[in-house]
Amino acid sequence: DAGVTQSPTHLIKTRGQQVTLRCSPKSGHDTVSWYQQALGQGPQFIFQYYEEEERQRGNFPDRFSGHQFPNYSSELNVNALLLGDSALYLCASSPGPTENEQYFGPGTRLTVT
Amino acid sequence: GQQLNQSPQSMFIQEGEDVSMNCTSSSIFNTWLWYKQDPGEGPVLLIALYKAGELTSNGRLTAQFGITRKDSFLNISASIPSDVGIYFCAGRRAFGNQFYFGTGTSLTVIP
Repeated sequence: DAGVTQSPTHLIKTRGQQVTLRCSPKSGHDTVSWYQQALGQGPQFIFQYYEEEERQRGNFPDRFSGHQFPNYSSELNVNALLLGDSALYLCASSPGPTENEQYFGPGTRLTVT
Repeated sequence: GQQLNQSPQSMFIQEGEDVSMNCTSSSIFNTWLWYKQDPGEGPVLLIALYKAGELTSNGRLTAQFGITRKDSFLNISASIPSDVGIYFCAGRRAFGNQFYFGTGTSLTVIP
């Protein structure tokens, strides 16, 4: 039973560029949440996707957008990258949008230079 | 935004000692979770709490949902080297699906 997988593992981008990160949820899970974790901080909620729609959003600008596909996998897109976007981006899946037990992937480490 | 404060920020203990850490919030939560994160990995769920006053154990770990619903506590008994890592609390309000994470407690166990 595969857990949550994310790709790529690491990524280096330049300021102003755009990036797409990918996530496959745990088998049987239909809800995906994305988090940003800056160095030395706790994860910060970006948004949650369920039934291919954004269900809730944290305090992040519109440069952060996402998508969920019919197979429940998800993408996180960040436009016009800033240095401050450098962080570990975590994907978490759960068997429903109100379920409490989220399972996290290993994350994608994004470095913006 | 919502801030969850964890204390202590870091702990250095001898193997075999017990550990206590806590998490406080300015808001009332109806769910508290405790996670452990190892370097280069995502957080792993340790314990989930759903009711004020609830005490739940998972092996050597015991967590409590504070009666004010604004705090939670995690205890680790007889620590071992593999307990090393960063422990995060996370809370969710009655309405909304968003989880708010704490600032983390870094635990180092000295053999």
